[in-house]
Amino acid sequence: QSALTQPPSASGSPGQSVTISCTGTSSDVADSDYVSWYQQHPGKAPKLMIYEVSKRPSGVPDRFSGSKSGNTASLTVSGLQAEDEADYYCCSCAGSNTLKVFGTGTKVTV
Amino acid sequence: QVQLQQWGAGLLKPSETLSLTCAVYRGPFSGYYWSWIRQPPGEGLEWIGEINHSRSTNYNPSLKSRVIISVDTSKNQFSLKLTSVTAADTAVYYCARVSGSTGQPNYMDVWGKGTTVTVSS
Repeated sequence: QSALTQPPSASGSPGQSVTISCTGTSSDVADSDYVSWYQQHPGKAPKLMIYEVSKRPSGVPDRFSGSKSGNTASLTVSGLQAEDEADYYCCSCAGSNTLKVFGTGTKVTV
Repeated sequence: QVQLQQWGAGLLKPSETLSLTCAVYRGPFSGYYWSWIRQPPGEGLEWIGEINHSRSTNYNPSLKSRVIISVDTSKNQFSLKLTSVTAADTAVYYCARVSGSTGQPNYMDVWGKGTTVTVSS
């Protein structure tokens, strides 16, 4: 199971929007309703931001949204704030939902 | 608020066995899967595997031959063993709770703080 493909970096000015793509295959992203996104600040554990493609956990700002089309999932951060600067990872279930595969990660700079 | 506390040896020699344990506090143990994820220095996240209270496991195929994940339901703990380690296994290892709103565990919503494991001769 190969890692999902994300752009290495993305950037935007405060208040702008940034969208991160997460490209998989017919065996993972395209075949699963279970895509999640994680934010990781340096030296910290990852934090769940989006689950099951587009659902937001309690406490996550509605500036964060997720979607999926075919074998590509996307995370959009609207109204960028300085604290959004972090690494972001997608994750998809695969293998009939018995496996999980992470994306390569995207560093977002604000 | 559920908390995960993890511990284990931080420095290993090549060919030794990595052993880590994660304890679950202030929350139920059954009804979830419990997972291990690692992150080599400067690299991305890699899913290692997961287990539930009934000892049902799923493993990353690339690590399956060297990994054992076990559970001690009497202590609300789960553990990771990785055999025959090499320098490539040097990483921060995280434990995490796996949840799912539809009954299928699919996202990691609670994470431990991570344990740094270094493999060096």
